[in-house]
Amino acid sequence: EAGVAQSPRYKIIEKRQSVAFWCNPISGHATLYWYQQILGQGPKLLIQFQNNGVVDDSQLPKDRFSAERLKGVDSTLKIQPAKLEDSAVYLCASSTGPANKQFFGPGTRLTVL
Amino acid sequence: AQTVTQSQPEMSVQEAETVTLSCTYDTSESNYYLFWYKQPPSRQMILVIRQEAYKQQNATENRFSVNFQKAAKSFSLKISDSQLGDTAMYFCAFTAIGKLIFGQGTELSVKP
Repeated sequence: EAGVAQSPRYKIIEKRQSVAFWCNPISGHATLYWYQQILGQGPKLLIQFQNNGVVDDSQLPKDRFSAERLKGVDSTLKIQPAKLEDSAVYLCASSTGPANKQFFGPGTRLTVL
Repeated sequence: AQTVTQSQPEMSVQEAETVTLSCTYDTSESNYYLFWYKQPPSRQMILVIRQEAYKQQNATENRFSVNFQKAAKSFSLKISDSQLGDTAMYFCAFTAIGKLIFGQGTELSVKP
């Protein structure tokens, strides 16, 4: 069974630039999550999709972050413009439904200079 | 607000010995789920064990078991016969409606 795919694995940008991350969940998984993991901390949920609808985006900084999940499969997370404090690992996860086991991707490590 | 607290930032254990990682949480929900996730240095987060709050029996997965104390809101992870491959960050997590709330993590080192 293929796991959750993410790209790119690493990204270095200057502050005020924009960046986008891509996630392909496990086939058939209706629920998709984006987490931000700052070094030394546990992951923090940014946004949760159920199919292509948003379930929870209460911790997404909407002035600079946006996410979409077209056709209920792949998802992209965008940051525009990036700030120094956005340096983190961005994790994508998917599950068959809320409260079920979440499968995580390898993450994208973002460095903002 | 729902919170998860891991009070041990770092722990170490000798290979083949047993270690227990602590976790406490706070919630007003009656039905919820608790997890332990492992994150090796490669950063791929992997589920170790899952506990449903309505089940009194503690979950077990091979060398991994939990001590779930619902009244005390405590959820500790015991690793028996520790192996070098168990070296990783361990995160306790809670969910009531799908949103996973993670603790700060415990960095476990297994020494040969």
